[in-house]
Amino acid sequence: ETGVTQSPTHLIKTRGQQVTLRCSSQSGHNTVSWYQQALGQGPQFIFQYYREEENGRGNFPPRFSGLQFPNYSSELNVNALELDDSALYLCASSRMTSGGQETQYFGPGTRLLVL
Amino acid sequence: AQSVTQLDSQVPVFEEAPVELRCNYSSSVSVYLFWYVQYPNQGLQLLLKYLSGSTLVESINGFEAEFNKSQTSFHLRKPSVHISDTAEYFCAVANPNFGNEKLTFGTGTRLTIIP
Repeated sequence: ETGVTQSPTHLIKTRGQQVTLRCSSQSGHNTVSWYQQALGQGPQFIFQYYREEENGRGNFPPRFSGLQFPNYSSELNVNALELDDSALYLCASSRMTSGGQETQYFGPGTRLLVL
Repeated sequence: AQSVTQLDSQVPVFEEAPVELRCNYSSSVSVYLFWYVQYPNQGLQLLLKYLSGSTLVESINGFEAEFNKSQTSFHLRKPSVHISDTAEYFCAVANPNFGNEKLTFGTGTRLTIIP
């Protein structure tokens, strides 16, 4: 177990709805990254948060947004859901130091189904 | 930009036989390399990583990988597999100078152990 937790584990939504996914970081970690893993694919980087600010973003539209809280937990919000948003959403936490970012540890994921 | 190619989408292997899962990467700068394992309906677990130093890295459960800079490869090997090794294996690369060190994943290799 990595100490990274995510909620909920499963979620079903319909097209056009909005969803919020949550992630609690491993103790001592200050950085959170979110990935989308479509069925049969490798995870794709969505964005990363460090010190409550976005610190890099992948090729995802603005309807994917996030937050990081002072306790380093994080939320991923997706507006105007589309069928192609159906995927496993993975959160990874790590520690950023003056020497760079350390290894990312993943949570179990939230499986989102959009109907 | 960096990319990862996992040449085999599926690899069936008899129990106690050796296995090699291939990974090639493309990057114009230095890289960190990782292998993650994903068991059915679970998130990603770090198997091993190469950051610097010795090009041969080992995991606690018998896997090893060798960083080959000239061939831009990071193949994963195990001399004798067990039923419990059945899983999806993902190779990933990160650029330590990128600032946020997002992970770029390959499409994965499904390892199936045949009794």
